[in-house]
This record gives sequence, structure tokens and C-alpha cells, in this order.
Amino acid sequence: QSVLRQPPSVSGAPGQRVTISCTGGDSNTGAGYDVHWYQQLPGTAPKLLIYGRNNRPSGVPDRFSGSKSGASGFLAITGLQAEDEADYYCQSYDSSLSASVFGGGTKLIVL
Amino acid sequence: QVQLQESGPGLVRPSETLSLTCTVSGGPISSHYWSWIRQAPGKGLEWIGSVSDSGTTNYNRSLRSRVTMSVDTSKNQFSLNLISVTAADTAVYYCARRRVDPATIPGNWFDPWGQGTLVTVSS
Repeated sequence: QSVLRQPPSVSGAPGQRVTISCTGGDSNTGAGYDVHWYQQLPGTAPKLLIYGRNNRPSGVPDRFSGSKSGASGFLAITGLQAEDEADYYCQSYDSSLSASVFGGGTKLIVL
Repeated sequence: QVQLQESGPGLVRPSETLSLTCTVSGGPISSHYWSWIRQAPGKGLEWIGSVSDSGTTNYNRSLRSRVTMSVDTSKNQFSLNLISVTAADTAVYYCARRRVDPATIPGNWFDPWGQGTLVTVSS
């Protein structure tokens, strides 16, 4: 059972917009710690997608954006492309565990 | 551009010790924290722990009794030892650099990551 909760899967057609949620509790996202996002393409290592208050590393398209409201973080992907089909993980910090924590991951299916 | 590469045995016997090394290239190991993260087959990501360039460590409480991390600045490497392994420790093990924003410490994220190495625990 992951500390951060994500939907197991989301889907969308090419060109559409999808959102993936990540919900924590009072000692992590609800305490104000940022939510960061990673993309894991099949058979590869996770890659940082969004960090901090909606910052994108060099090379990440601006189709990817992050936001946060209360204890929930959100990853939005616009102009969905077939190459976006991957697993997406959120991550934050938990002060009661003194640990970095991850969500269980969301599989994005491009229809 | 910093790159990380894991190395170590792909097969470990139950009850023995899993030992992995991560070699950092393209930048110094100093002034950063370095982390190990694992992913069991078909499962999500689990943070194992972090080690600083001076050897300060922070471990996942669920693994703390079995984990040791260390750093060798002369070789630009850091290492993971996990004792008394069982089949539940079978996973792809990733090394990664921990990044922080001073304004939001202890919040942190991980970038870049190594390609990962599969370690199977089996007799």
C-alpha cells in the first residue's frame, strides 16, 4: 500500500488532455511538500518529468505540467501522443517517516 | 551531464548479502546526496535510502536494520549493501542523485537515474 495514492490507469485518445492525480496525507503532500512526477517508459528507468512548483527539466515538452491543491498533486498532459504511453509515478517527502515516498503508479493508455 | 551506472551480481542466494555499486560520471560526487531506489517486478518504486558525499545516511525504516550505504569519493562511487536477503528483495535496483530546493528542504526529488540492474534472490 503506497503512501501516495494514484489511479491505477487513465486513458485518452491522441490529441486529448488527461490528468493524473496523486493524493497524500497530513505528513506529506498535505503538509505542503511538493509533488514531483516521473515517466517510466516500458523497460526503462524512470525519468524526471516535473519537479517542485511545476518545473520541467530541459527536454521535457511543455505539454506536461504539474499543479497542487491541498493534499493532492496533479499531472496534466495535453495534446496526447502515442509515445506518452507509459507508467507515471508521483513522489513527495513524508515528515513522519523522514523518507521520500512514491505513489503506486498510473498506467497511461493512449487509445 | 551527470550519468549513473549500477553494477553488481545479478543473482544472490537467500540469506546472503546483496552488494551494488553506482559509478557517477560527468560530474563530482561531492556536494550531493545519492540514493538507491528499487522496483520489484510489476510493482511500484520504493526508496531504500540516501547517502551524502561525507557519508551521512538516511534509510527507509522498513529496511533500516538490513541496509548500509557508503560513498567512495576517490572513485566517484557509492554503494549499497543489503543483508539477509529473501525472494522479496528481488527487484530492479536504481541509483539516483537526490536534488533539493533550499526553500523546501527536506523535500527532494531524484534526477538523474541509472539504467537499473535486476537482482534476483534465488537458490
